[in-house]
Amino acid sequence: GENVEQHPSTLSVQEGDSAVIKCTYSDSASNYFPWYKQELGKGPQLIIDIRSNVGEKKDQRIAVTLNKTAKHFSLHITETQPEDSAVYFCAASGGGSQGNLIFGKGTKLSVKP
Amino acid sequence: DGGITQSPKYLFRKEGQNVTLSCEQNLNHDAMYWYRQDPGQGLRLIYYSQIVNDFQKGDIAEGYSVSREKKESFPLTVTSAQKNPTAFYLCASSIGQANQPQHFGDGTRLSIL
Repeated sequence: GENVEQHPSTLSVQEGDSAVIKCTYSDSASNYFPWYKQELGKGPQLIIDIRSNVGEKKDQRIAVTLNKTAKHFSLHITETQPEDSAVYFCAASGGGSQGNLIFGKGTKLSVKP
Repeated sequence: DGGITQSPKYLFRKEGQNVTLSCEQNLNHDAMYWYRQDPGQGLRLIYYSQIVNDFQKGDIAEGYSVSREKKESFPLTVTSAQKNPTAFYLCASSIGQANQPQHFGDGTRLSIL
């Protein structure tokens, strides 16, 4: 079945710097890749997603890139702000997972003022 | 506002007791999901339902049960057979099952007395 690896597990940046979180997946048939932000005591919130027919998608300070050949995708946050501090999860679906999302273990991002 | 409501926010279980977690959505979504989240772990799928009166086991269904009698509701029962129930439980829904963004509630934290 699908397996999703996420790195790093923790990431600390200065306010204004960029942050990059990377995920790899194992099932080449996967075709949908969402990213979620989870704040303490809350449920995950979808922040951006990408499908396998595109290589990059941007939404203001957030972008996601997808490399199908290498089976990895990345979240890029530019001009980080303290309110970006949270746990970020990547996920993949399609192929053998019956369309269910398989999640990475999360990255705790800390943005220092 | 449309969304997913989970209740209660905190729940305590005594040894040998069954407890039921509520999940209601007014998004008119067909598919609903239950996940378990443990510290430092990703989200693990307990049960999912694509349509009313139908549901399937996820990766960690043992010790849990669900029902889907109404489109809006997908309650999860944590039975006494679940020996390590302390976790954060998240409910989600999506328009369809395959490769669709999932929308999450704010979770129920279950602890053992």
